[in-house]
Amino acid sequence: DTGVSQDPRHKITKRGQNVTFRCDPISEHNRLYWYRQTLGQGPEFLTYFQNEAQLEKSRLLSNRFSAERPKGSFSTLEIQRTEQGDSAMYLCASRGPAGGDTQYFGPGTRLTVL
Amino acid sequence: AQKVTQAQTEISVVEKEDVTLDCVYETRDTTYYLFWYKQPPSGELVFLIRRNSFDEQNEISGRYSWNFQKSTSSFNFTITASQVVDSAVYFCALSVLLTGGGNKLTFGTGTQLKVEL
Repeated sequence: DTGVSQDPRHKITKRGQNVTFRCDPISEHNRLYWYRQTLGQGPEFLTYFQNEAQLEKSRLLSNRFSAERPKGSFSTLEIQRTEQGDSAMYLCASRGPAGGDTQYFGPGTRLTVL
Repeated sequence: AQKVTQAQTEISVVEKEDVTLDCVYETRDTTYYLFWYKQPPSGELVFLIRRNSFDEQNEISGRYSWNFQKSTSSFNFTITASQVVDSAVYFCALSVLLTGGGNKLTFGTGTQLKVEL
């Protein structure tokens, strides 16, 4: 069973540029989550998909952030007009229809905004 | 609001010592799940254990054990006979229900465990 994969693993960009990250969940996992983790902190919830429907968004998700999950498979997280404060690790997790709430995480995408 | 507190920022032990990581949580929900995850230097969060709120029986799984006490809202995690490979940041997390049957995890700030030879 392949785990959650994320691409790219690292991204360095200049302030004001747009970036897009991809997450491929564990196959047959219908729920997909995005979290953001800054240095020395625990991950913070950003958004949640059940199949292709985005059902919950955190207040942390400003209007510069958008996430999609077309066809209920992989997901993308786009950040427009990046700011230095967006520098963080972006983690994706997935969860199947059963399993007692357990989310399985990918390796993350580390974003550095110069 | 939900909150998870891990008061221990960093713990250092010598290999083969037992170590306990503390976690205290706050929630108004009567049904919830608690988790421990491990984050090695590579960055990936690795699921370790899960406990639901209506089962306070404590368990042991290999070198891992946990002590869940609802009365004190604590969910402590113990590693027996620690090894250098256990060195990582350990996160306690509380599961909160979302729309449509999903859940979000509220994490503590983590405890850095260093196991030395």
